[in-house]
Amino acid sequence: GIQVEQSPPDLILQEGANSTLRCNFSDSVNNLQWFHQNPWGQLINLFYIPSGTKQNGRLSATTVATERYSLLYISSSQTTDSGVYFCAVLVTIRAGGGADGLTFGKGTHLIIQP
Amino acid sequence: DSGVTQTPKHLITATGQRVTLRCSPRSGDLSVYWYQQSLDQGLQFLIQYYNGEERAKGNILERFSAQQFPDLHSELNLSSLELGDSALYFCASSEGDIRGYTFGSGTRLTVV
Repeated sequence: GIQVEQSPPDLILQEGANSTLRCNFSDSVNNLQWFHQNPWGQLINLFYIPSGTKQNGRLSATTVATERYSLLYISSSQTTDSGVYFCAVLVTIRAGGGADGLTFGKGTHLIIQP
Repeated sequence: DSGVTQTPKHLITATGQRVTLRCSPRSGDLSVYWYQQSLDQGLQFLIQYYNGEERAKGNILERFSAQQFPDLHSELNLSSLELGDSALYFCASSEGDIRGYTFGSGTRLTVV
């Protein structure tokens, strides 16, 4: 099956710093998403980004599908950004509705210190 | 509130027992997905239902089963529980397009 590798595995930053998280995947994908799992365990969808660049406030993401990687940028970090960031990919989409399950990377554990 | 409702939030049970986890998808979403998150395996896709029918299977054990009912809510049944089944179980739903993929808050299962 497809392999999804995220780096770095852990990142500790001071509040206000910027960071770049990377996701490499081993095969062509139909879709890619970034999720944030907060310290309470909730998974929040940040971006649906199979290709191109998107921005949402202090967060932005870029996927270069031809080179099989995606980047998540966090600027001016806040303590509420702490948690685990997951990249997840979808290899097939079934005709007639519904998508197959996502394959997740192991995540980047981000700690923002005040 | 993501719109995907999972119950119960926490569950503690003994080895060998059977439990049922429930998920109500976002209004209008036809697809329901179940995922397991454990420390050693990470987040793994278990199974997907679309409009009442099984659509895809991932790493789901034979001791586990699921179904989606006519009102589109779904249940994940876990039987003959083992200590290693302790995990966070997530349900997600989508309209049928990956862009609408939303997770519930999860059920934390502890097997003792």
